[in-house]
Amino acid sequence: NAGVMQNPRHLVRRRGQEARLRCSPMKGHSHVYWYRQLPEEGLKFMVYLQKENIIDESGMPKERFSAEFPKEGPSILRIQQVVRGDSAAYFCASSPWQGGGFEQYFGPGTRLTVT
Amino acid sequence: SQELEQSPQSLIVQEGKNLTINCTSSKTLYGLYWYKQKYGEGLIFLMMLQKGGEEKSHEKITAKLDEKKQQSSLHITASQPSHAGIYLCGADMDTNAGKSTFGDGTTLTVKP
Repeated sequence: NAGVMQNPRHLVRRRGQEARLRCSPMKGHSHVYWYRQLPEEGLKFMVYLQKENIIDESGMPKERFSAEFPKEGPSILRIQQVVRGDSAAYFCASSPWQGGGFEQYFGPGTRLTVT
Repeated sequence: SQELEQSPQSLIVQEGKNLTINCTSSKTLYGLYWYKQKYGEGLIFLMMLQKGGEEKSHEKITAKLDEKKQQSSLHITASQPSHAGIYLCGADMDTNAGKSTFGDGTTLTVKP
């Protein structure tokens, strides 16, 4: 049973370009979470999605960031017009159940560098 | 303010020594998780605690959640270089939130 897959593992973008980060949850998991880890900081929640639904996006910056989890295919975190401050590690996690009380399985992360 | 406070921020110990990392909240926690992260990699799930007073062990690592469910400690006995990494506590601050809140992590270095 493959774990949570994220790609690419490393992404370099110039300021103003778009970044697309992909996350394939574990088989059987329909809940996906995106977290951001800035250098020297802990993980910060961004968004929680189920298939075709955004459940909680309270941690998403209001502009330039969007996320989706379509019926088919991976979850996508999209960052438009990237800026240097977007450089961070972006982690995706999945769980089989809604709500708390169940551990989330994390992917290896995508390290975004904005030059 | 930080909802989950982790201490210490970093720790350097000699191989073979014991150590403790703490995770504290001002709110009741509905689930407390410990993860380990190696630099540049993803998070590895270690343990989950849900009940007040609960204690779990895996190999040389023991985690406890206090009765009030506001503080957890992670204790490593006879540390080894393989224990080195960043330890993160995560918690469910709401009974049905789904998302986890994380502390800023504790960087552990074990000197051979």
